[in-house]
Amino acid sequence: GDSVTQMEGPVTLSEEAFLTINCTYTATGYPSLFWYVQYPGEGLQLLLKATKADDKGSNKGFEATYRKETTSFHLEKGSVQVSDSAVYFCALRPWTGNQFYFGTGTSLTVIP
Amino acid sequence: KAGVTQTPRYLIKTRGQQVTLSCSPISGHRSVSWYQQTPGQGLQFLFEYFSETQRNKGNFPGRFSGRQFSNSRSEMNVSTLELGDSALYLCASSFTSVSSGANVLTFGAGSRLTVL
Repeated sequence: GDSVTQMEGPVTLSEEAFLTINCTYTATGYPSLFWYVQYPGEGLQLLLKATKADDKGSNKGFEATYRKETTSFHLEKGSVQVSDSAVYFCALRPWTGNQFYFGTGTSLTVIP
Repeated sequence: KAGVTQTPRYLIKTRGQQVTLSCSPISGHRSVSWYQQTPGQGLQFLFEYFSETQRNKGNFPGRFSGRQFSNSRSEMNVSTLELGDSALYLCASSFTSVSSGANVLTFGAGSRLTVL
């Protein structure tokens, strides 16, 4: 069935370090892919999305490229800030279907 | 515009009781999905409602139920609460049904349920 696997956390980085959070997926057809972010005490917020192969989603300095050949959608940011500390979720919406599938989340802590 | 509003934000119940959670979607959104979030299981899909009809249901026991009203507001109910039902329950809305395209889910802040 459809599923998302993302890198285990927690991840701790120093401010201005480079961030990569790996995400791979299993799905038939052409799913849409998403990254959501959850700050403490809040719900999930959409960070970026990509709807077809080779699309690059970007927002607030974060980027992810939809790679169909490697079934991946890794999240990257060149220089993290303390305010980026949160839990990040990779998600997919299948080509056909009525639900989203979420990864288990990766907790990121950025220290000054 | 106002976001997705969930009430109550926090509640404490005891085993065997029942609970009703409410979700008001973004104005104009007709789809409401519910998820259970726990540290061990992550985000698990409960159900989706669109135009007052349940479109899809996750793998949860019948104690978990929901409904949607004509104004798109949704409620979910959990009967005969168990300790394992302690979780953050998240509601998400979207403009159309999840099945009809690359929809984006907009989440509320959640209702945190503690079962003692």
